[in-house]
Amino acid sequence: NAGVTQTPEFQVLKTGQSMTLQCAQDMNHEYMSWYRQDPGMGLRLIHYSVGAGITDQGEVPNGYNVSRSTTEDFPLRLLSAAPSQTSVYFCASRSNLNTEAFFGQGTRLTVV
Amino acid sequence: QQQVKQSPQSLIVQKGGISIINCAYENTAFDYFPWYQQFPGKGPALLIAIRPDVSEKKEGRFTISFNKSAKQFSLHIMDSQPGDSATYFCAARVDNTDKLIFGTGTRLQVFP
Repeated sequence: NAGVTQTPEFQVLKTGQSMTLQCAQDMNHEYMSWYRQDPGMGLRLIHYSVGAGITDQGEVPNGYNVSRSTTEDFPLRLLSAAPSQTSVYFCASRSNLNTEAFFGQGTRLTVV
Repeated sequence: QQQVKQSPQSLIVQKGGISIINCAYENTAFDYFPWYQQFPGKGPALLIAIRPDVSEKKEGRFTISFNKSAKQFSLHIMDSQPGDSATYFCAARVDNTDKLIFGTGTRLQVFP
């Protein structure tokens, strides 16, 4: 049981490049979320999904797109990376029967 | 706009002592208050959580105290151990949503 798996673990992008951060969970969880973690800021919600085909914005959605075509996967897309998007990104999932959210190991992204 | 304020930013405690971390919230439309523990290079993991209709919850050495009228809640770690050294985040979930609002984190160091 792998839980929540994020890839890649580390990534360096140039300003203006695009990329997709992958998140997959094998627990059949309905809810999935993306957070970014910055020093002194805690974790801030970017986008979340309550099920396949349903997504909504969190606190800091600008510059990011998401889609949820399957229950297992919830990719996060950066269309045109900016230095302000340098951060550690965490994906989380939970069952609608349980309040506990399970987090992945994170993707450490640097935009130069 | 930080809706969950956490203090202190860092905390140094001697082994066997009590660690206390405080959080205060502004929005009354929160229905669930979890605490997460995060070790360097890892994702956050749920430590303990409480609902607003309960004033205290204890799990082993960890206790949450909740004061609904003051809009405050705190984490107490009894008999603190070096293995407890980590960053702790309080959070609050917006009513009937999957949106978690996190505090800014407390870095706890427990010295032997």
